[in-house]
This record gives sequence, C-alpha cells and structure tokens, in this order.
Amino acid sequence: DSGVTQTPKHLITATGQRVTLRCSPRSGDLSVYWYQQSLDQGLQFLIQYYNGEERAKGNILERFSAQQFPDLHSELNLSSLELGDSALYFCASSPTTGGYSYEQYFGPGTRLTVT
Amino acid sequence: EDKVVQSPLSLVVHEGDTVTLNCSYEVTNFRSLLWYKQEKKAPTFLFMLTSSGIEKKSGRLSSILDKKELFSILNITATQTGDSAVYLCAVETISTSGTYKYIFGTGTRLKVLA
Repeated sequence: DSGVTQTPKHLITATGQRVTLRCSPRSGDLSVYWYQQSLDQGLQFLIQYYNGEERAKGNILERFSAQQFPDLHSELNLSSLELGDSALYFCASSPTTGGYSYEQYFGPGTRLTVT
Repeated sequence: EDKVVQSPLSLVVHEGDTVTLNCSYEVTNFRSLLWYKQEKKAPTFLFMLTSSGIEKKSGRLSSILDKKELFSILNITATQTGDSAVYLCAVETISTSGTYKYIFGTGTRLKVLA
C-alpha cells in the first residue's frame, strides 16, 4: 500500500459523458501527478501539480483538466468522453523538494471504461 | 522530439540468471531518470538517478546512468520469479520556459521461469 488513494476503482460510462477521478496523496506529499495507461500507449504522463499550482504538463488533451485543492487532494476531470479514453488512470504523489521530484508513489488506479 | 527507448522489449530467463535492462534517451534539458517496476497494477519506484557514474543499489537490483552516452542500465542479479514484471524507465525534463515533463519508455517485460 503506497498511501495514495484513488476513487473510484472502476468507472463505466458512455461516450460524450463527463467524469471526475479523485486522488488523495500520501500524507505530507505536496506533488500530485496524473498518468494514463492504455494497452497500446503504455504509461503517459498527463499533468503534475505542486502545492496547488500546475508544475508540469504532458500529453493532456484539452478535454481533460485537473486541479489540486488546498487540502492537497486532486481531481482529474475528463469530458466529452470517447471510446479511446478507456484506460487505467493513475495518480502518484511525491515529496518534491529542492526543485527535484523524488520517487513517485502510485495509487492503485481508476479503470475507466467508455462504452 | 523527446524520446525514451527501452530494450529489450521482452525477456525470458531462468531463476538465478542475471539480466541487464537498457534505457536510452534523447531529451532536451535532462533532469533525472527513474526506474519503476510494474507488476499487475501500479508502478513501484526503484531508483532515481541524476548523476553519471554513481551506481545505486537495492538488494539484487542496481542501476547506473551515463549522461554522456545518454543511457541507463538496470541490473538484476540472481533473478527470482518475483522479479517478473514490466520495468519502466522515465526521464524528467525541463523546458526553457521552466515546464517539467516526464517521458516514459514502453517498458521491458521480464519473465523469470522457475
């Protein structure tokens, strides 16, 4: 158990819908990262927040957005869902200090299925 | 375009063998390189490397970075069936505008036979 929690575990929804995935980082970790893992694309970095501010951005679609709240939990919002958005979405947290991101601790993931 | 390439894609060995996994990268403004092990679910952190030539060790696993030749290797000695997993390499970069990014390789799938 990494100490990172993600809800829900599984989510099945229809194309065109909007969903919110939630992540609570390990106690004390200020950085939260979001990743998408699909069978054909491998692990793709989406976005990172550090203490409420966006710090790094990867291949995140415009239909996706994220935020980190004052209590440091984070939400990833996916809208206008397409079949290709079906994937495992991971959240990770790390004790980023001194400008470096140290080891990232991954949550168990949310499996999203778009039908 | 930044890229991280891992080799081999897949590897099958017998218990007790030693394996070497490779990760090469072409990125602008390298910051760090990380290795992860992914079994059935979420990746777990193994090593973070920032300096060339300094070996990091944890039990039977070790890793080293060569920033001149732009690659890292992950060694696993005396492999066990529990080492069967996908090993992921990731590189952290920073752009001129100060934006950080993480690029993952596609992974090496290791299967250790009893």
